[in-house]
Amino acid sequence: EAGVVQSPRYKIIEKKQPVAFWCNPISGHNTLYWYRQNLGQGPELLIRYENEEAVDDSQLPKDRFSAERLKGVDSTLKIQPAELGDSAVYLCASSTTGRLNTEAFFGQGTRLTVV
Amino acid sequence: AQSVTQLDSQVPVFEEAPVELRCNYSSSVSVYLFWYVQYPNQGLQLLLKYLSGSTLVKGINGFEAEFNKSQTSFHLRKPSVHISDTAEYFCAVSETSGTYKYIFGTGTRLKVLA
Repeated sequence: EAGVVQSPRYKIIEKKQPVAFWCNPISGHNTLYWYRQNLGQGPELLIRYENEEAVDDSQLPKDRFSAERLKGVDSTLKIQPAELGDSAVYLCASSTTGRLNTEAFFGQGTRLTVV
Repeated sequence: AQSVTQLDSQVPVFEEAPVELRCNYSSSVSVYLFWYVQYPNQGLQLLLKYLSGSTLVKGINGFEAEFNKSQTSFHLRKPSVHISDTAEYFCAVSETSGTYKYIFGTGTRLKVLA
């Protein structure tokens, strides 16, 4: 079974430029998460989807960050414009829904460097 | 709201020695507990999880953890570490119902010395 797939693995951009990350969750997983992991820190939730609906986006900086999950499968996280402080690893995770949600499976992440 | 505290940011230990990585949590509701491992430039891999039942949980790579409800702890242990165990270890909690949001600690870097 394929795991959570993220692309690209690495991205270097100049500040003020836009950037997008893509995530393909495990087949059948209705819940999808985007986390940001700063250097030396644990992952912090940015947004959580149940199917197509963003059910928790309270930590998403909405002035520059946006996300979508069309058709309830793949998801894209976008930053526009990027700032130096956005340098981090962006992790996508997926899990089953409701009471079956007992484990999150993570992708390898996208390491973003803003210069 | 939940929170997770990992007091040790770094733990150096010699190969074949035992190790314990500490995790304490705070929550007003029932939670599931997890330990994830992250190798350099990799995502997070689940080591073990506590959902219910026996408080001693065994995971992959010889790791185990014990859930202590009174002390709100979930410490990770391994009786004999290997060089390959060098990695970052994260403790996490998730509500058993409701938000299904995973809250992580800041991580403990385990460095196994030859």
